[in-house]
This record gives sequence, structure tokens and C-alpha cells, in this order.
Amino acid sequence: NAGVTQTPKFRVLKTGQSMTLLCAQDMNHEYMYWYRQDPGMGLRLIHYSVGEGTTAKGEVPDGYNVSRLKKQNFLLGLESAAPSQTSVYFCASSYVGSRSNNIREQFFGPGTRLTVL
Amino acid sequence: GESVGLHLPTLSVQEGDNSIINCAYSNSASDYFIWYKQESGKGPQFIIDIRSNMDKRQGQRVTVLLNKTVKHLSLQIAATQPGDSAVYFCAEGGTSYGKLTFGQGTILTVHP
Repeated sequence: NAGVTQTPKFRVLKTGQSMTLLCAQDMNHEYMYWYRQDPGMGLRLIHYSVGEGTTAKGEVPDGYNVSRLKKQNFLLGLESAAPSQTSVYFCASSYVGSRSNNIREQFFGPGTRLTVL
Repeated sequence: GESVGLHLPTLSVQEGDNSIINCAYSNSASDYFIWYKQESGKGPQFIIDIRSNMDKRQGQRVTVLLNKTVKHLSLQIAATQPGDSAVYFCAEGGTSYGKLTFGQGTILTVHP
């Protein structure tokens, strides 16, 4: 299994441009998440999805949109990129059902480094 | 909102020493806690977890301690190796849809 994959790995945008980040998982997980990570800070949740066709806002959703048309894919869109969106973006997924100890571990992708000029 | 924080942003140790990384949390309703390791240029990787009804859990070379009285979590790494050099995050979860709240991270540097 590839686990969680993200494309692209790197991207440079100019202010006002748009782009879509793709996350794919092959573990049949129901839940998927998008985070951003800024220097000196932990991961902050942007949006998440609890199943195909559903999305919800996280801690820092402004300026981003998401879609979950297929269970295995979770897309993160930037309609009009701003320098404040320069960050490393991580996608993660987790089980719906709990493990034996009822803890839902999240599995992370390798990240996308985005720079907005 | 509720958040998870760390006392020390950096920790430097010698190879073979034991390392202790600390974390303070504020949400008493969190059901479980997870420690993640993040190496440079990679995504976070699961290390160990602990439920809120436990106070200690051991893994291979790692131990997590939970003190709910003072809302404190720690990760102990025995016989630290250069390969342990990374950023370590604590995260709390269990309140909603598997969402996790992450601390800011501690940079662990292991010197040979």
C-alpha cells in the first residue's frame, strides 16, 4: 500500500493565482483531513471530511475550499492565493471504526510545500 | 479555543542518553493523546498513544506518561540515537470525528 500520497510536492504561485492540491489514500479510510504547518507552529486543521460527499470547516478554513467526490481522494483548493498561504500542507486520513483501544490514529502524507509570491 | 502546548521548543542530548519531551494540554475532555515524530521534509509519523484513563504506556524504547491532575503529558525516549533527531508533536483528540489538536512541537537533536 502507498498509504497517503500528495501531489504536487512543491509549487510556487503568484498572488491571485489558483491551484488544487490532491490527496489520495488507499487504506479505505472514511475520515480525511487537510492541515497547514507554519514555521515554529504545530499543524492547524483547515478542513476535514467524514465521508464521500461531505466536508466541514476546521480551525483555519478561510481562503480554502475542499471537495471529496471519491472516498479515496480529498482535494484542497486555493481560489486566489495570498502570501499568507505560503506554508507546508499535509493531508491525513483515519479510520471510522476505532482500534482496540478506541484511538483514531491519523496517517499523514509527505506534504506539499507551497510558496505564494 | 483549547490548545496543546509544549514547555521546551528545543532539546539537545548525547547519543545514549534518555530524552524527555514535555507537553501541556488544556482540554480536559480529550479522550486520548498521540505523540508524532516528524523528520525533516516528511509528514508526521505515529509513535505512541495513550487513552485518558491511563497514566502510563510503554512501547519500544518509548514511554508516555499522562498526569491529568496537572494536564501534562511526556514522552520518554530511552537510549536516544541519532536517528531519533526530529520534531516531536503531541496531539490530543477524541472529541469529534477523530480530529486532533497539535502542540507547537519540540526539536530533538541527538549528538553522536
